[in-house]
Amino acid sequence: QQPVQSPQAVILREGEDAVINCSSSKALYSVHWYRQKHGEAPIFLMILLKGGEQKGHDKISASFNEKKQQSSLYLTASQLSYSGTYFCGTEIGWTGNQFYFGTGTSLTVIP
Amino acid sequence: NAGVTQTPKFQVLKTGQSMTLQCAQDMNHEYMSWYRQDPGMGLRLIHYSVGAGITDQGEVPNGYNVSRSTTEDFPLRLLSAAPSQTSVYFCASRRRQGAVGELFFGEGSRLTVL
Repeated sequence: QQPVQSPQAVILREGEDAVINCSSSKALYSVHWYRQKHGEAPIFLMILLKGGEQKGHDKISASFNEKKQQSSLYLTASQLSYSGTYFCGTEIGWTGNQFYFGTGTSLTVIP
Repeated sequence: NAGVTQTPKFQVLKTGQSMTLQCAQDMNHEYMSWYRQDPGMGLRLIHYSVGAGITDQGEVPNGYNVSRSTTEDFPLRLLSAAPSQTSVYFCASRRRQGAVGELFFGEGSRLTVL
């Protein structure tokens, strides 16, 4: 049930771009993206619904392709504050009762 | 605003001991859940609840019990702790079943079983 994320880890220099992918073997109702700093709780970034919509949050945006059951998170002109582990979370079915997270992508931004 | 509160933040147990991780939220969220986080495994769903008196299993429920007697509280019980249950546990809540809403997380409880 757990979605698969890629890559597992990425190191960027400030100003560089990155893409994190999330794919599921199950049909998805929605996809969430969260960021977690070391030793802290995950923090919500955005939700994407069925319909292929794309959302943005500052210089972080995401897309959701429901036919392919995939979502991608785009980080442009990365900042040091973007460092952390990124998780996609998926809802299988509209009830949202079972909410599964991917295995995470560790992102490190260096000066 | 308190949000989601978990206690204790740290706990060390011996194999076979029992304990309860507490979770309380003050946002009147109907949906509450417990996750465990292990290195390289992400967050795995243990149990969830869609309202008082209603609970169900997630993907890794073995060794854990839950109950939901009030909207605010969702405790997680370990009846006989095992070293494999060493992990960081997060409680999370959201507005209601089926709602397109974000999950709000507690700060986590780090459990070590010797």
